[in-house]
Amino acid sequence: EIVLTQSPTTMAASPGEKVTLTCRASSSVSYMHWYQQRSGTSPKLWIYETSKLASGVPNRFSGSGSGTSYSLTINSMETEDAATYYCQQGSSYPFTFGSGTKLEIK
Amino acid sequence: EVQLVESGGGLVQPGRSLKLSCVASGFTFSNYGMNWIRQAPGKGLEWVAYISSGSSYIYYAETVKGRFTISRDNAKNTLYLQMTSLRSEDTALYYCARARGVFFDYWGQGVMVTVSS
Repeated sequence: EIVLTQSPTTMAASPGEKVTLTCRASSSVSYMHWYQQRSGTSPKLWIYETSKLASGVPNRFSGSGSGTSYSLTINSMETEDAATYYCQQGSSYPFTFGSGTKLEIK
Repeated sequence: EVQLVESGGGLVQPGRSLKLSCVASGFTFSNYGMNWIRQAPGKGLEWVAYISSGSSYIYYAETVKGRFTISRDNAKNTLYLQMTSLRSEDTALYYCARARGVFFDYWGQGVMVTVSS
């Protein structure tokens, strides 16, 4: 099983601040996928295949990485970006998720 | 508009069974693989099971293998999860999610399963 480790676990950012969330895999994966989950709601696909933004995702978001190291970046933090972000690998079964990064607004 | 609506959850005693359903609309259900993903209260996401569009390929998480069965009825646009020998650690919000390749592009609102005596 591929274990995904996300860091930090929790962080707070000020409006306008640049934010980077990381996800490290225990083995190399082909792509990383990211989901946003706001409090009390279902997760939403946010970034797929490492760097492609899902429909409706603002272009202040970006994704990058390869092998075992991936990241999600917010170019300029906005209030609506406060949420928990999960990474997910689909390179091998069982599909696995990271434990999430809770991003708060400062 | 893609919609996934889960049902069938509730309070069940340890060792008992429960069957979840997920009705899909807004897309051609028979063309897509489907998944069940769960989230224990206050915890992260755990993938549970996958079924291909024609039910030829089925995969399970080790934590549920041998106890849970995923199935689908393409004529009814419905995905199922039969859960047996339920344990307290199966307590979670269960989501059905459409597969787009190896990631999940649409999720339902979830259905709560509580395993407790």
